[in-house]
Amino acid sequence: QAGLTQLPSVSAALGQTATLTCTGYGDIIAVKGATWLQQRQGLPPRLLSSRNDKRPSGISERFSASRSGNTASLTISGLQAEDEATYYCSSWDTNFNAWVFGGGTRLSVL
Amino acid sequence: EVRLVESGGGLVQPGGSLRLSCEASGFTLSSFSMNWVRQTPGKGLEWVSYISGSSYNIYYGDSVKGRFTISRDNAKNSVYLQMDSLRVEDTAVYFCARETNWGLGLDFWGQGALVTVFS
Repeated sequence: QAGLTQLPSVSAALGQTATLTCTGYGDIIAVKGATWLQQRQGLPPRLLSSRNDKRPSGISERFSASRSGNTASLTISGLQAEDEATYYCSSWDTNFNAWVFGGGTRLSVL
Repeated sequence: EVRLVESGGGLVQPGGSLRLSCEASGFTLSSFSMNWVRQTPGKGLEWVSYISGSSYNIYYGDSVKGRFTISRDNAKNSVYLQMDSLRVEDTAVYFCARETNWGLGLDFWGQGALVTVFS
């Protein structure tokens, strides 16, 4: 099973906006969408956005997901120190009946 | 409050077996599909297995197919992962994760259980 492609690291200043991207293979993101997960050090992942680009209850409006073609994006506005974490995208591959993940992007808040 | 608590991790030699359990609370387990996802220390996430609410559909990742078996007992609010023929590369933290309705994402995760396969 192939994986989704994410940049290993991104940095942005406190209070600014960071945009993370996730590129799919084939048309997986275009057709099935992508979810975004946040993982802080030592904690389990937390769902930020579902495959329909909607935030679960309790997730800040500062996190906004979108997609264009086979690329998904997560925009984090008004960066806070607590946003420093690794962000993973994922999608469902119907050919393999499997969840596939990106390698994760480590976000540093300067 | 939704809670998922994994147990059963530990140390095992290559070729050995372990059984992980995931105890669910705060929701009706039978209404949700469940997954196991693992994470090698310091590395990314790897999906391991899926089981539908009724156990009708079960899927595995290529790296564990034929060696791992997922199951559930909704009456006991638990999901299991039987891991046989373990390899050094199976060393990871194993998370139990609930899948949203319509498979839109993995919305609740347990704290994880560490499995170490050492030679």
